[in-house]
Amino acid sequence: EPEVTQTPSHQVTQMGQEVILRCVPISNHLYFYWYRQILGQKVEFLVSFYNNEISEKSEIFDDQFSVERPDGSNFTLKIRSTKLEDSAMYFCASKDRYYGYTFGSGTRLTVV
Amino acid sequence: ILNVEQSPQSLHVQEGDSTNFTCSFPSSNFYALHWYRWETAKSPEALFVMTLNGDEKKKGRISATLNTKEGYSYLYIKGSQPEDSATYLCAFMGGSEKLVFGKGTKLTVNP
Repeated sequence: EPEVTQTPSHQVTQMGQEVILRCVPISNHLYFYWYRQILGQKVEFLVSFYNNEISEKSEIFDDQFSVERPDGSNFTLKIRSTKLEDSAMYFCASKDRYYGYTFGSGTRLTVV
Repeated sequence: ILNVEQSPQSLHVQEGDSTNFTCSFPSSNFYALHWYRWETAKSPEALFVMTLNGDEKKKGRISATLNTKEGYSYLYIKGSQPEDSATYLCAFMGGSEKLVFGKGTKLTVNP
């Protein structure tokens, strides 16, 4: 069964550093997403991406965040200057034209 | 602000017990309700996508119902097994592409 692949599975970074979280969505999917879960809280939406542009973003997704689909297969989330409160599990997801979301297994980001 | 609530927060049952959890969501602007099963260190696994009021879906021993008018969905597990132990998430989809998640129900099935 097709999978969404995320790398790395764990990332530790120093506050103020830039991080790039990588995702390979399912190849024939059209919609791409990033979600995150801060420990003990709900999974929350960050951004959706369709037709090579952001289609929706949450209040969390400020100027420190950006997304890119550089080569037609990878989908990346960049955090420019990480803060302690960015520590979370980040999930990538992709979807076909209909309802079927497929999630990756997540990248646990720890900012120290 | 859209709010999705799940109850109970956690549940411990014995193998063979049947159990159910609740997801409540806004009754206006409904598009779909998703259920996921999430084991630690794995991807959330899609169980059901429910769209119509009165929908009932089944996958093996797991089934779900949907009431969009009153804004709730139930997930049932018949004859729980230890491998059913996981966190069960529901997520509401309204007038946009994003999913709004509940906090989940953590199920532990004791052998």
